[in-house]
Order: sequence, then C-alpha cells, then structure tokens
Amino acid sequence: AQKITQTQPGMFVQEKEAVTLDCTYDTSDPSYGLFWYKQPSSGEMIFLIYQGSYDQQNATEGRYSLNFQKARKSANLVISASQLGDSAMYFCAMRVMNTGNQFYFGTGTSLTVIP
Amino acid sequence: EPEVTQTPSHQVTQMGQEVILRCVPISNHLYFYWYRQILGQKVEFLVSFYNNEISEKSEIFDDQFSVERPDGSNFTLKIRSTKLEDSAMYFCASSETRGVEETQYFGPGTRLLVL
Repeated sequence: AQKITQTQPGMFVQEKEAVTLDCTYDTSDPSYGLFWYKQPSSGEMIFLIYQGSYDQQNATEGRYSLNFQKARKSANLVISASQLGDSAMYFCAMRVMNTGNQFYFGTGTSLTVIP
Repeated sequence: EPEVTQTPSHQVTQMGQEVILRCVPISNHLYFYWYRQILGQKVEFLVSFYNNEISEKSEIFDDQFSVERPDGSNFTLKIRSTKLEDSAMYFCASSETRGVEETQYFGPGTRLLVL
C-alpha cells in the first residue's frame, strides 16, 4: 500500500529563517514521484516542487528545495528565507507508476511565519 | 498562464439534493481528476478520467457520484442525493500526461456545504 506521512501538524518559523517540513513515504514500487503543494487559507492547491525516484540530485525551485533521502524514504521540503506569505498548509504527495494516476496525500503541516 | 477553473466557488445545498460541480481543465491537458478535502483533513482522490471514461476511482466514488465531460472544455462532478458528510472542498485537477513526473494542476476548489 502507498502511504505518505507528515508528522508535524504545525510549525513556526521566524521570518527570514529556513524551515524544514518533514515527509516520509512508503511504497514498494521503484518508480514514483514526490510532490509538495502549498494551500493558503484561501484554499487553492499550489504546486511547489517535484522529485522523481530516479533523480540523482535534490530538486530545487527558487527558495524551495527538496531533501530527498531515498534509503530513508523521506522527502523533506526546505524553505529558505521564510516570508510572511509562506504561512499556509503544506502537503506532501506521491504518485506511483503501477498504481494508477492518483496522488496520495499526507495530512499536511501548517506553517506559520512569525514577523 | 493557463489554469484550472472551477465553479461555483461555494455551494450550499439541502441534504438529499443533487449538485453539479463544474471544472474547466487546462486546454491541452488530457487527464482529469476530482479530489475532495473534508475540513481539516487530507486531500483524498475520488476519480480520474481520460478519453471520455473513468480510468480509476477510489472506494469513496460510489454510485452517488458520477463524472462527465459534456463538451470539449467542461468536466463535471455530479453528487446525487447529497449527505451531510459530503460537505467538503472539492478540487478538480488536470495533467497533460500520465507519467509519475507529471504535475497535476489543481483548481481553486468548490466548497460544498450540505445542510
């Protein structure tokens, strides 16, 4: 079975500091993709970053980077230089090649950036 | 930048009524999805749709639900005989292809409240 686990229901970070949001996953399929989405209070889901299971390097997108540790089955999101606008829910999601096209989502982490 | 749109943004209905949630996926995308998010919980997959038929569905997607692509642009989710527990945010998403690396782009959601 496929599973995404986010163990931090809430996190606080000082503005301009870096923060790491944890995500672990479970799948026996060797081919999968890992995604992070941001959900502001307005409710929409905004794609942030993607990491493929065969990617050799950690993904980066601007202030977002993904700390991918395949052996530990973790895909933590690192946000550098936090901004007030980063306050939102963050969801880790996985798609697995052999189980169809759906995303499996974690329960999310609520990030609050403190001025 | 192309985006997924959804209407209405909010819908209030009486228990037992039928609702139709509408989505316009990104125009060159071929795969369409519905997800739901009960307040405070994780996002859950409902159904995926390709080539005018359902390609996958979850156990949540029972006979109460149906999807349709009535024309070249719209993608709808119909919920028959709504129940209180159908109250949730419903997200439509679309993707260009089916690969694990393919990002699904989400619409802003329809917040459904069943009274």
